[in-house]
Amino acid sequence: DTAVSQTPKYLVTQMGNDKSIKCEQNLGHDTMYWYKQDSKKFLKIMFSYNNKELIINETVPNRFSPKSPDKAHLNLHINSLELGDSAVYFCASSLTGGPLIGYTFGSGTRLTVV
Amino acid sequence: AQSVTQLGSHVSVSEGALVLLRCNYSSSVPPYLFWYVQYPNQGLQLLLKYTSAATLVKGINGFEAEFKKSETSFHLTKPSAHMSDAAEYFCAVSVAGGTSYGKLTFGQGTILTVHP
Repeated sequence: DTAVSQTPKYLVTQMGNDKSIKCEQNLGHDTMYWYKQDSKKFLKIMFSYNNKELIINETVPNRFSPKSPDKAHLNLHINSLELGDSAVYFCASSLTGGPLIGYTFGSGTRLTVV
Repeated sequence: AQSVTQLGSHVSVSEGALVLLRCNYSSSVPPYLFWYVQYPNQGLQLLLKYTSAATLVKGINGFEAEFKKSETSFHLTKPSAHMSDAAEYFCAVSVAGGTSYGKLTFGQGTILTVHP
């Protein structure tokens, strides 16, 4: 009964490929996020969706395209993968009052581009 | 914009000693502050959060943090370290409202090592 689940947990792929990471939450939250943790463990937000609407879109290359088919799902598609995309990607969710209620994170997807 | 600075990328303590992890924030509006812990190859687990109620916040595993507006600090403490506390700790800030609504901004992280 994982609250925020991401698949796959590990992803190794070659440069230039296109890949997707999926995220699902069963908490009834209406806001979902993607965070990137780089090799130095620095965490930075990429996107957030509220009720399927894009709310936050940080300075992320347009090779990254999030998609939210419904409130419980937020997927991340990455085109033309580059070495620098290697990182751990975390999905998170919250209610609209995120700062007050808190956030729940998934266990992460470790992407390695070779 | 909000920002967080964690002083000390590595902190080492002996088992049973006081743990003090430092966090200073910058925010033009009242902040919400969080401490998360990350064990190796795992996700982020919430330790505690400050949401403008009591300034001394108690969390899980015996951790607590005190919000000091005058010092713009939110330091994390635990009276007696346990070996199982060894992990990386992240301080984060969020605000309610504005274009940054709901966005968590993290500090650089502090690795806590506990020696027997």
